[in-house]
Amino acid sequence: DVKVTQSSRYLVKRTGEKVFLECVQDMDHENMFWYRQDPGLGLRLIYFSYDVKMKEKGDIPEGYSVSREKKERFSLILESASTNQTSMYLCASSPSQGDTEAFFGQGTRLTVV
Amino acid sequence: QKEVEQDPGPLSVPEGAIVSLNCTYSNSAFQYFMWYRQYSRKGPELLMYTYSSGNKEDGRFTAQVDKSSKYISLFIRDSQPSDSATYLCAMSPWNAGNMLTFGGGTRLMVKP
Repeated sequence: DVKVTQSSRYLVKRTGEKVFLECVQDMDHENMFWYRQDPGLGLRLIYFSYDVKMKEKGDIPEGYSVSREKKERFSLILESASTNQTSMYLCASSPSQGDTEAFFGQGTRLTVV
Repeated sequence: QKEVEQDPGPLSVPEGAIVSLNCTYSNSAFQYFMWYRQYSRKGPELLMYTYSSGNKEDGRFTAQVDKSSKYISLFIRDSQPSDSATYLCAMSPWNAGNMLTFGGGTRLMVKP
């Protein structure tokens, strides 16, 4: 079974803090993604990566950055957390060849107070 | 206007009913159409995907794509309480796992 694991299920952080969300996948997938999910808005793509040390902006990258130093790990960084970044964050991975479906982690519910 | 529109529900049906979930979209470049199921406090899991127009069946689930109308549907036959979840449609111009654009999700409740 493909496993995408996010390091935390729930996080509470203060405004202005630097926040790291970690994601690890065990299927040697090339592609990794970070989404945020808000009620009524579905999932929106923040950043994605097709390879190690490679990153591309998604639809809503403002206020976020990412890091991919190893193929299996993709980190989302909130440089200075704000209350409007309170959300559910979902990591996903997919292979670049063959059956290319995306697999999601269980999500991190982040609350910024 | 959002690229992918989906009625948020909630949709409440009795056990055994046929459920119809729908999405409309505006981007004619979309070629791959996916349906995800998301249980409360879990990540989405892929139910099925379809390439281009047509139907696809998997057990009690049938996905339909009408590209001429920019309209996709998911039908669930003999619905069960375990089908209670949020259903998300997703689309991509590239493949089933890349550059996905999601609808807002429809919350389904199947009552015993």
